Amino acid sequence: GQNIDQPTEMTATEGAIVQINCTYQTSGFNGLFWYQQHAGEAPTFLSYNVLDGLEEKGRFSSFLSRSKGYSYLLLKELQMKDSASYLCAVSPNQAGTALIFGKGTTLSVSS
Amino acid sequence: GAVVSQHPSWVICKSGTSVKIECRSLDFQATTMFWYRQFPKQSLMLMATSNEGSKATYEQGVEKDKFLINHASLTLSTLTVTSAHPEDSSFYICSARDPGQITGELFFGEGSRLTVL
Repeated sequence: GQNIDQPTEMTATEGAIVQINCTYQTSGFNGLFWYQQHAGEAPTFLSYNVLDGLEEKGRFSSFLSRSKGYSYLLLKELQMKDSASYLCAVSPNQAGTALIFGKGTTLSVSS
Repeated sequence: GAVVSQHPSWVICKSGTSVKIECRSLDFQATTMFWYRQFPKQSLMLMATSNEGSKATYEQGVEKDKFLINHASLTLSTLTVTSAHPEDSSFYICSARDPGQITGELFFGEGSRLTVL
């Protein structure tokens, strides 16, 4: 079966760094995605990893270890607007198939 | 970047009526679109894959006669919730890939929040 696990909730303060972990067990693997979703809105793309290692994009970085079925999203210099749900998603097959989403991690950033 | 537009954003209907949701890719052609459903504080669950020019592929447990999908053109897919009931109240989101994007990320529509009274 397909299974993607991530923590349900996390809290942090402005300016801090937070790491959101994701583990996955899927029938195949063709890339891992991180999306941000604010309440009542559609998800927006943050990052994509298909090879092992760290991908950095501004304040956000994403790491992948395929052998461990593990990824994390690292958010630096947290801002209040970063309060949202962060979704880990896996593409199990070749391009053209749907993504499988985890349940999302709700991040609350306080001042 | 690629844009997917979904309409309507909000819809309230009476139990037993049908509701149609449209999903359009505005600046690319999509032979495949994906329809997801999301209940409060839950994950996005894939309902079906919409294929241009052929029948949609439904996920296990999704009633194809209740959730009618039509992919009339390379830029338009529609989801019709037939004989809607309160338990169908949810956030429905369509998505598609831009063939020109290497990463294969999904671009999402704005979502349609359906409330069935």
